[in-house]
Amino acid sequence: NAGVTQTPKFQVLKTGQSMTLQCAQDMNHEYMSWYRQDPGMGLRLIHYSVGAGITDQGEVPNGYNVSRSTTEDFPLRLLSAAPSQTSVYFCASSQRGGGYTFGSGTRLTVV
Amino acid sequence: GENVEQHPSTLSVQEGDSAVIKCTYSDSASNYFPWYKQELGKGPQLIIDIRSNVGEKKDQRIAVTLNKTAKHFSLHITETQPEDSAVYFCAVAPMYSGGGADGLTFGKGTHLIIQP
Repeated sequence: NAGVTQTPKFQVLKTGQSMTLQCAQDMNHEYMSWYRQDPGMGLRLIHYSVGAGITDQGEVPNGYNVSRSTTEDFPLRLLSAAPSQTSVYFCASSQRGGGYTFGSGTRLTVV
Repeated sequence: GENVEQHPSTLSVQEGDSAVIKCTYSDSASNYFPWYKQELGKGPQLIIDIRSNVGEKKDQRIAVTLNKTAKHFSLHITETQPEDSAVYFCAVAPMYSGGGADGLTFGKGTHLIIQP
């Protein structure tokens, strides 16, 4: 039981490039969500999903897309990276009524 | 939307003393209140949570208290140890029908330093 797995751990992108941050969970959790963490800002919700095929926007969704084709996977796509998207990204999952389990994060730098 | 305020931003205590971190929130619909511990280079780890039908919850040296009327909740750590040094985050969520589907709103974090 690996919990929540995020890949890659580190990534450097050039402005305008696109990429996908991967997130997978093996706990059969219904809910999954993406957060970004910036110094002094805490964690802010980007997008979330309540089940396969269902996604919605969080507090800071601009510049990011998500999809949820399976229960296990919830990838986050950056369509055209900007320096303002330099951050640490965390994926989390939870069962109905349960606590959220976080992955170990992806540290992204956009130059 | 929900607004969560967390204080203090930095807390330094002597080993063995108690530490208290406080959070306030704005949305009366919030009824799930977890606390997370984050060590350097790692993801947040759930350490304790409380739901609005309970005023206090304890787990060994850690306790959380909730005052829903005043919209604030606190984390209490007793007999602090060096391994308690970390950043602590409070969070809130509405748990419609026990769901918790809409993600968490976090406070900005407290850097807890345990002085030997």
